[in-house]
Amino acid sequence: ETGVTQSPTHLIKTRGQQVTLRCSSQSGHNTVSWYQQALGQGPQFIFQYYREEENGRGNFPPRFSGLQFPNYSSELNVNALELDDSALYLCASSPVGQGTDTQYFGPGTRLTVL
Amino acid sequence: AQSVSQHNHHVILSEAASLELGCNYSYGGTVNLFWYVQYPGQHLQLLLKYFSGDPLVKGIKGFEAEFIKSKFSFNLRKPSVQWSDTAEYFCAVSNSGGYQKVTFGTGTKLQVIP
Repeated sequence: ETGVTQSPTHLIKTRGQQVTLRCSSQSGHNTVSWYQQALGQGPQFIFQYYREEENGRGNFPPRFSGLQFPNYSSELNVNALELDDSALYLCASSPVGQGTDTQYFGPGTRLTVL
Repeated sequence: AQSVSQHNHHVILSEAASLELGCNYSYGGTVNLFWYVQYPGQHLQLLLKYFSGDPLVKGIKGFEAEFIKSKFSFNLRKPSVQWSDTAEYFCAVSNSGGYQKVTFGTGTKLQVIP
């Protein structure tokens, strides 16, 4: 158990729709990173939030956006869903003082886009 | 940009056999290195990490990895595998210092036969 939870566990959407995925991390974890893990691939970095501001971004289009809240929760929003967005979405939180690459992962949300 | 290569996509071993999974990275600066494990149906867990110092790093469950800077490698080893080691293993690298983006390899599926 890492203390990082994600909801929902599974989600089915259709192409063109919008989706919001949620993550809740432990108290004192002030950095959250989001990853996309396609089938048979390693996690791909989407973006990272530190103190409620985007701290870095991977090679993902602007329709992927996020929010981080003061209560250690965060959201990943994806607009205009495409079939290729079908994947496992992981969030990972980092505790204060241990470097943002020391990450504790949640169980993920499996998104299927039809 | 940093990248990670894991050469073995699928490895099958008998119990008690020795394990070595290859990992090579590409990055021009100082790096931090990680091995993560994903057991079937479970979330990503950190096995071990290298930040600095002794290049031979010991992790949980009897795993170890050796950082060889001249070869840009960070191979994972275990002297004697168990059936419970069946999982997918991911090597990851981050840039040391500042905003730390973590890049994962594509993973190696290990199947241990009793």
